[in-house]
Amino acid sequence: GENVEQHPSTLSVQEGDSAVIKCTYSDSASNYFPWYKQELGKRPQLIIDIRSNVGEKKDQRIAVTLNKTAKHFSLHITETQPEDSAVYFCAASYNFNKFYFGSGTKLNVKP
Amino acid sequence: DSGVTQTPKHLITATGQRVTLRCSPRSGDLSVYWYQQSLDQGLQFLIQYYNGEERAKGNILERFSAQQFPDLHSELNLSSLELGDSALYFCASSVGGGGMNTEAFFGQGTRLTVV
Repeated sequence: GENVEQHPSTLSVQEGDSAVIKCTYSDSASNYFPWYKQELGKRPQLIIDIRSNVGEKKDQRIAVTLNKTAKHFSLHITETQPEDSAVYFCAASYNFNKFYFGSGTKLNVKP
Repeated sequence: DSGVTQTPKHLITATGQRVTLRCSPRSGDLSVYWYQQSLDQGLQFLIQYYNGEERAKGNILERFSAQQFPDLHSELNLSSLELGDSALYFCASSVGGGGMNTEAFFGQGTRLTVV
């Protein structure tokens, strides 16, 4: 089965700096890679996703890159703000039949 | 509000007991996914149903079972509960379940505490 590894487990940045979270996956058949943000005590919410036929996708301050050959994908947050503080999960899926999540990255943006 | 409804929000029960968690997917969504999130841990995929049939199975214990009903709501049954089963259980739904490009929307979760 799929195995998704996520690093780092915790990340602390100064407000305005960039944050990068990296994930690797093992199943080359995986073709959909969403990122979820989970604030304390709340449900995960999709913030951005990328499909295997795309190498990079941006949405304002958030971007995701995918390297299919190396089987890794990354989340990039620029100009971080305190409200970006949360736990971020990456996931890998094959045709939405399963979603395997990484272990999460706790991002702390210091004002 | 994601449109995915989970009940109850909180549940406290004793070891050895059995509980049922309920999930109503978004209107029109055919797939339901169940996840377990233990304290300070990631989301563990348990099982997926698509239009009433089991589609995929993850790290689900034999003491756990699930089903999806004709009206597409789903129930996760946890039996012979142990202290380690205490966790937040999330349900998510999506329109598709095989080859369709749709995202999964999460419910608010059911917090289960086994004492």
